[in-house]
Amino acid sequence: GQNIDQPTEMTATEGAIVQINCTYQTSGFNGLFWYQQHAGEAPTFLSYNVLDGLEEKGRFSSFLSRSKGYSYLLLKELQMKDSASYLCAVNSGAGSYQLTFGKGTKLSVIP
Amino acid sequence: ETGVTQTPRHLVMGMTNKKSLKCEQHLGHNAMYWYKQSAKKPLELMFVYSLEERVENNSVPSRFSPECPNSSHLFLHLHTLQPEDSALYLCASSPAGTSAADTQYFGPGTRLTVL
Repeated sequence: GQNIDQPTEMTATEGAIVQINCTYQTSGFNGLFWYQQHAGEAPTFLSYNVLDGLEEKGRFSSFLSRSKGYSYLLLKELQMKDSASYLCAVNSGAGSYQLTFGKGTKLSVIP
Repeated sequence: ETGVTQTPRHLVMGMTNKKSLKCEQHLGHNAMYWYKQSAKKPLELMFVYSLEERVENNSVPSRFSPECPNSSHLFLHLHTLQPEDSALYLCASSPAGTSAADTQYFGPGTRLTVL
């Protein structure tokens, strides 16, 4: 089976840095996605990692270690609008439809 | 972002009703997906269509019936649902569906309540 673990909730202060972790055990690995989902809205794509290392995209960075089955999403200079759920998803197959999602981490940014 | 639209946004139905959810994508993609999102549970893939052919059906009860008349439109027909089917139903599309790196783009979802 596929198993993806993320913390359920996190709270951080505006302007700070927060790291959201994701660990996975899947039958295969062909990449890891991070999505952001504001309450009542569609999930939106943030990042895709398939090789080990850090991918930086503005205030957001995503890291992958395939040997450890581990990824994190790093959010810098937090803003109130970053309050949302962050979904980790692993593709365990060759096609795009073998995507397994974690339950998501609800991040609350406080003043 | 209006690349993927879904109607209706909210739906309340009784267990004996028949209703349909509609999804339309304006991104020129070839693959479309239905997901179910329940509280405190991960997104669950229900159906996948690639070039209008169903390529994945994740053991979904027959009271959910998908239809993909063309690569831009996807429907989910609902009949004799149960209260536990109440959830957010999300539609997504992706360029091809054949690559692991294919990014899926989601619609805003239909919030379904079954009474």
